[in-house]
Amino acid sequence: AQKITQTQPGMFVQEKEAVTLDCTYDTSDPSYGLFWYKQPSSGEMIFLIYQGSYDQQNATEGRYSLNFQKARKSANLVISASQLGDSAMYFCAMRGGYQKVTFGTGTKLQVIP
Amino acid sequence: EPEVTQTPSHQVTQMGQEVILRCVPISNHLYFYWYRQILGQKVEFLVSFYNNEISEKSEIFDDQFSVERPDGSNFTLKIRSTKLEDSAMYFCASFNRGQKNTEAFFGQGTRLTVV
Repeated sequence: AQKITQTQPGMFVQEKEAVTLDCTYDTSDPSYGLFWYKQPSSGEMIFLIYQGSYDQQNATEGRYSLNFQKARKSANLVISASQLGDSAMYFCAMRGGYQKVTFGTGTKLQVIP
Repeated sequence: EPEVTQTPSHQVTQMGQEVILRCVPISNHLYFYWYRQILGQKVEFLVSFYNNEISEKSEIFDDQFSVERPDGSNFTLKIRSTKLEDSAMYFCASFNRGQKNTEAFFGQGTRLTVV
């Protein structure tokens, strides 16, 4: 079984500051993928970043980076230089093997001017 | 970049009516999924589809729901007799084996409102 835990229901960050959104996971699959999605108030699910369990380096995509600590089973999202447009719900998700994607409960991020 | 396309983006329907939500997965993908997100709540798995049949379904996916891949490209979710509590955002996803064999691609969602 797969499990994703996001312990921060809500976060505030000052504009231009960096913020870390926490995510821990549990799976018995040796091969798995970890994802972060952004969901603005309009509702669509926007893919941000992907980390494969066998990837040697932490994934980065522009201002997004994934702090992957395999031994600790954590996959935290780091957003650098926050912008007002980053205010949204953020979901951590994972997929082990060929199983379905399992989502966490999400973290609502609000960027303060 | 390839993408999963869902139509319509928003559908309003009367309680008791049938609705069909449509998805065009990425062309060479083999695994297809539907998810549901009631407003403000968690994204919930509904059903997975592989090799032209359902491979897994959740408790939510009862007899009111069905899925089809009628023409080899579209992947549809049908709700036979909608209820108020079916109001939600519905997401389609497709996956594949490959170099990044655990990557997942989601559509932009269909917002279903049952009145």
